[in-house]
Amino acid sequence: DAGITQSPRHKVTETGTPVTLRCHQTENHRYMYWYRQDPGHGLRLIHYSYGVKDTDKGEVSDGYSVSRSKTEDFLLTLESATSSQTSVYFCAISDPQGIGYEQYFGPGTRLTVT
Amino acid sequence: AQSVTQPDIHITVSEGASLELRCNYSYGATPYLFWYVQSPGQGLQLLLKYFSGDTLVQGIKGFEAEFKRSQSSFNLRKPSVHWSDAAEYFCAVGAREYGNKLVFGAGTILRVKS
Repeated sequence: DAGITQSPRHKVTETGTPVTLRCHQTENHRYMYWYRQDPGHGLRLIHYSYGVKDTDKGEVSDGYSVSRSKTEDFLLTLESATSSQTSVYFCAISDPQGIGYEQYFGPGTRLTVT
Repeated sequence: AQSVTQPDIHITVSEGASLELRCNYSYGATPYLFWYVQSPGQGLQLLLKYFSGDTLVQGIKGFEAEFKRSQSSFNLRKPSVHWSDAAEYFCAVGAREYGNKLVFGAGTILRVKS
């Protein structure tokens, strides 16, 4: 299994509070991604990073920010959590080489906003 | 816009029977294609991938998939299903022209009856 950890694994928070989720990798992969998973929607990309301090928005980026100060860490912040951000959040990594690439996923963080 | 369709939300098969999960995509470029599997409470595991070459690809756990460009499909197959195959399956599509990002289908939940 790829060396990807996510913390915390479970979190319950109140509406309006800031929340930060952490993704840590030991594979030295260049690309890192944050997705959210909701029933009926599969996985949707929130933000991704293609290098230290290089990030870009995904499909559902409103209300989220990210930071990557080291190759191994990618942080996802919910500035002011809302109930619609209750979801399971997955981090993924990839190291595109040659003609193609694949992504490897962490175990996920279940976030509940009350 | 790129899209991935998995027409079947749920599929139930008997143990030992064959399985085919459907995936259709809409992409303007030469696609990279993936199938992932997710067991309850777990992250996503890569089953197989197609980048180029032979259109029939073999994966882990006895799965295979066939890329049919004329039908924009990448269906997943297994000749004999085991009870441990019960999980949710996701098809994903990417292309170098769209950066190192993937678009996921909504998933198909496989139930195996004994």
